[in-house]
Amino acid sequence: EIVMTQSPATLSVSPGERATLSCRASQSVSSNLAWYQQKPGQAPRLLIYGASTRATGIPARFSGSGSGTEFTLTISSLQSEDFAVYYCQQYNNWPRDTFGGGTKVEIK
Amino acid sequence: EVQLVQSGAEVKKPGESLKISCKGSGYSFTSYWIGWVRQMPGKGLEWMGIIYPGDSDTRYSPSFQGQVTISADKSISTAYLQWSSLKASDTAMYYCARILSGWYFDYWGQGTLVTVSS
Repeated sequence: EIVMTQSPATLSVSPGERATLSCRASQSVSSNLAWYQQKPGQAPRLLIYGASTRATGIPARFSGSGSGTEFTLTISSLQSEDFAVYYCQQYNNWPRDTFGGGTKVEIK
Repeated sequence: EVQLVQSGAEVKKPGESLKISCKGSGYSFTSYWIGWVRQMPGKGLEWMGIIYPGDSDTRYSPSFQGQVTISADKSISTAYLQWSSLKASDTAMYYCARILSGWYFDYWGQGTLVTVSS
């Protein structure tokens, strides 16, 4: 079973600043990693797949990097609409549990 | 436009049965896997299982095997998640989502809130 660990659990950032979120896999998932954004009361939204490819319509301020066991989601300049919870998901090894526990990005 | 529209919120008693639905439109429903994801109150996302509506091939997360049943009716482009005997611990938001060939979720339904309380 692959365990996905996200850190930090909560990230306090001021609007306009950079946010860096981490996701670590307990064993290699290659580049088979996705990131999702979830705002309160809404369904998750796909941001990144293949560790670094932005999904359709996702602004360029969102970028993903990493491979193997270490991954990063960077939001270059936080906008008010970016305050949300972010989840990583590995899809290298199904059908085991695939999601990380989430990182909440809150206003500082 | 790809859309997944889920059935409305449900309030049930422990021991009751329930079937919730997820209707796809704007794409070939039989050509993509559909997954179900649970989110308990204030918690993260848990993958429950997936179905390929084209042939009803179904796979479950070990955590949910035997606890729920996933099915689909391709004639009406609808996937289902059902329980035969609900428990209070089934109280959660349930999402359906389309799965791309890379096994990640690209489009999500709006969610169905299931509340189980005596």
